[in-house]
Amino acid sequence: DAGVIQSPRHEVTEMGQEVTLRCKPISGHNSLFWYRQTMMRGLELLIYFNNNVPIDDSGMPEDRFSAKMPNASFSTLKIQPSEPRDSAVYFCASSLARRVYNEQFFGPGTRLTVL
Amino acid sequence: AQSVAQPEDQVNVAEGNPLTVKCTYSVSGNPYLFWYVQYPNRGLQFLLKYITGDNLVKGSYGFEAEFNKSQTSFHLKKPSALVSDSALYFCAVAWGAAGNKLTFGGGTRVLVKP
Repeated sequence: DAGVIQSPRHEVTEMGQEVTLRCKPISGHNSLFWYRQTMMRGLELLIYFNNNVPIDDSGMPEDRFSAKMPNASFSTLKIQPSEPRDSAVYFCASSLARRVYNEQFFGPGTRLTVL
Repeated sequence: AQSVAQPEDQVNVAEGNPLTVKCTYSVSGNPYLFWYVQYPNRGLQFLLKYITGDNLVKGSYGFEAEFNKSQTSFHLKKPSALVSDSALYFCAVAWGAAGNKLTFGGGTRVLVKP
């Protein structure tokens, strides 16, 4: 199994630019999560999907952030326009939510730097 | 509100010695607790979880954790630490309708010296 795949692994952009992060969950998993990790705030859940439907986006910081899951094998997290305070490592994770409290499998992350 | 505290930013231990990483929790209702490990430039990896049953939970790589309801703790332990155990460890509590939401502690960096 290839695990959760994220791209790009590193992204450097200038303030005001649009940034799109991509995630391919583990095949067969039906829940997908986007997290952000910073030194100041630690690991934060931004949004999660169940069966491609957004269930809880209460962690999305502002309207500049949006996430989509057009099908079971692909999700994007978009930031438009980006700001320096968005610099962080963004993780995607997936799980099989056939029963509750299943462990989540994390991708390697995308390190985003906004100049 | 659900919360998890990891009181130690860093734990130093000599190789071969026992390793303990502390975690305390605060939840309304039953606690569902997880430990994850993060190696440099990698995503988090699941180690073990407590949902119900035995208070001593065994997980990957020789790790185990003890659930203590009276002390609201879920400490991670390994009898004999390896240099390769050096990493960042996160305790987390699951909550929400399907237990899908994880709230993480701040993490504890473990350094195992040869």
